[in-house]
Amino acid sequence: ETGVTQSPTHLIKTRGQQVTLRCSSQSGHNTVSWYQQALGQGPQFIFQYYREEENGRGNFPPRFSGLQFPNYSSELNVNALELDDSALYLCASSLSGRAFHEQYFGPGTRLTVT
Amino acid sequence: AQTVTQSQPEMSVQEAETVTLSCTYDTSESDYYLFWYKQPPSRQMILVIRQEAYKQQNATENRFSVNFQKAAKSFSLKISDSQLGDAAMYFCAYRRGNDYKLSFGAGTTVTVRA
Repeated sequence: ETGVTQSPTHLIKTRGQQVTLRCSSQSGHNTVSWYQQALGQGPQFIFQYYREEENGRGNFPPRFSGLQFPNYSSELNVNALELDDSALYLCASSLSGRAFHEQYFGPGTRLTVT
Repeated sequence: AQTVTQSQPEMSVQEAETVTLSCTYDTSESDYYLFWYKQPPSRQMILVIRQEAYKQQNATENRFSVNFQKAAKSFSLKISDSQLGDAAMYFCAYRRGNDYKLSFGAGTTVTVRA
């Protein structure tokens, strides 16, 4: 059973640029959630995708957008990067969006905006 | 809105001793789940233990156990026989039943002294 993977591991971008982060869900999982974790803080929910549709969204501006593909992998896109977007971005997959299904997290992508 | 509070930024424990991490949460819901996650320096978030609100019995997983006080909205984690590998950031998290997101506390850094 393959776990959740994310790419890239690290990247550095300049303010105003756009970035795409990728997540491959665990085998058999159809739901992917994205979280932003600023340094020294707990993760904050960005949004969730269930069967290719956005299933819920946290308090993030529209320049944070996502996609889920037929194989249930997912992308997080951030436009017009700001310095405060520097963070660890985590994705988590689960069997469904239901609370009793455990979310399995990937190792994260560390984004630095300069 | 649900909030999760971890009042201990750091805790230190001697190897083989016991440490207890505190967590309080605020909710008006009756159907919810509580979790403790471990995040080692490798960054990958790992589920340590979960508690369903409707269950009165406290959850246990090997050396990890919780003290769930529903009326007080308290959910503490006890790590017994601490090992060097337990050193990590620990996050308390809340998820409403049938909701799509996890709400995390700010975390507690656990250091294990040899």
